[in-house]
Amino acid sequence: DIVMTQSPDSLAVSLGERATINCKSSQSVLYSSNNKNYLAWYQQKPGQPPKLLIYWASTRESGVPDRFSGSGSGTDFTLTISSLQAEDVAVYYCQQYYSTPRGYTFGQGTKLEIK
Amino acid sequence: QVQLQESGPGLVKPSETLSLTCTVSGGSISSYYWSWIRQPPGKGLEWIGYIYYSGSTNYNPSLKSRVTISVDTSKNQFSLKLSSVTAADTAVYYCARGPRYCTNGVCYSGPFDPWGQGTLVTVSS
Repeated sequence: DIVMTQSPDSLAVSLGERATINCKSSQSVLYSSNNKNYLAWYQQKPGQPPKLLIYWASTRESGVPDRFSGSGSGTDFTLTISSLQAEDVAVYYCQQYYSTPRGYTFGQGTKLEIK
Repeated sequence: QVQLQESGPGLVKPSETLSLTCTVSGGSISSYYWSWIRQPPGKGLEWIGYIYYSGSTNYNPSLKSRVTISVDTSKNQFSLKLSSVTAADTAVYYCARGPRYCTNGVCYSGPFDPWGQGTLVTVSS
């Protein structure tokens, strides 16, 4: 299995400040034939399903505010919120869609709160 | 846009079979892969398995012996059966589109999107 490990487990950031969440995969999720990283980021608010924010590690989903950005390649990835808004309080998950048949695995989640 | 809605019993007895259905609206179930994903209360996300509209499946090896996913294209629905459940199977169960997408006969991996709202299934006597 590809194990996805996020850090930190929780994070408190002041409104308007930058929030950074890291995700590390136990093996590369970069597919050499197309040079794409098979990595997505989701946001989950209480009582709601996960919402896709970023795919291919850095492509923002339509309608997602541009304060959200994704970066990284291979095994190390970062989700950055450039200026934290109150509505960004949520749990954030990374997920790899590179590996089968062992499955599609998620990180353990990072809880983002307001300081 | 495509919307997904899970339905099924919210309470299942230990050792019995959990059965859920996902209804897809706003688009055809054809030409896409569809997944079940679960989330125990207060915990993270676990992919259970997927089905292609043609009926081909792939399951999480950790659950493979107990899982069956089927599709009914005439109803635009796909279903999950999980047998021999225990309290450890208590979770919110989500259906989602993905993780493979096909265009002009070429399929590629992608994220899960969109997701249903989820349904809580409790395993208890």
